[in-house]
Amino acid sequence: KAGVTQTPRYLIKTRGQQVTLSCSPISGHRSVSWYQQTPGQGLQFLFEYFSETQRNKGNFPGRFSGRQFSNSRSEMNVSTLELGDSALYLCASSLDGGEGEQFFGPGTRLTVL
Amino acid sequence: QQQVKQSPQSLIVQKGGISIINCAYENTAFDYFPWYQQFPGKGPALLIAIRPDVSEKKEGRFTISFNKSAKQFSLHIMDSQPGDSATYFCAASRGSSNTGKLIFGQGTTLQVKP
Repeated sequence: KAGVTQTPRYLIKTRGQQVTLSCSPISGHRSVSWYQQTPGQGLQFLFEYFSETQRNKGNFPGRFSGRQFSNSRSEMNVSTLELGDSALYLCASSLDGGEGEQFFGPGTRLTVL
Repeated sequence: QQQVKQSPQSLIVQKGGISIINCAYENTAFDYFPWYQQFPGKGPALLIAIRPDVSEKKEGRFTISFNKSAKQFSLHIMDSQPGDSATYFCAASRGSSNTGKLIFGQGTTLQVKP
C-alpha cells in the first residue's frame, strides 16, 4: 500500500506570493490533517478535512486555507506569504480522523524569501 | 488547556542504556496519547500509543507509562541503539471526537552513542 505523498517536496517563494501544496492520502483514508512544523513552534495543527468538509481548524490566520476533493486528495493554500510562513508542511491521513493512527507524509519544505 | 509539555529537549544516552522522555498535559478531555518518531527529512511515524484506561503499554523495547491522576505519560526506550537516534514527539488528542487533531509536545532529540 502506497504511503502518503506530498508535492512538491521543496518550494521557494517570495513574500506576498501565494502557494498551493498537495497531499494524496493512503488509499481508503478519508481524513486528511495538515500540520506546520517549525523549530520554534514545533508541530502545530492547521486543519482537518473529512469527506470534503473541514471538520476542525487550528489557530492560524485566514491566509491559510485548504480543501479536499472527492477522491480524498487535499490541497492547502497560503496567500500573501510572510517570512514566518517558512516551515515544513506535513499532511497526515487516517481512516476517519478519530482514534486511528495518523500516517504522515514526508512534508513540503517551504522557504519564503 | 490545549498544551502538551515535553521534556527533556535533548537527551544523550549510551548504547544499551534506557532513554526516558516525559510529557504532561492539561486537558482532561484528551483520551488518546501517541508517540511519534521522526528522522531527518522524514515525516513523523507512529511508534506506540496508549489510552487512559491502561497504565502501561509495551511494544518491543518501547514502553509507555501513563499516570492519569498526574496527567503525565512517558516513553521508555530500553536497550537504546544508535538507530534510535531521532526526534521523538508525544501527542494528545480527543480521539473519540473524530477531529483528526493531534496536539504535539515540543519534541526531544535523542542521540544514542555507540
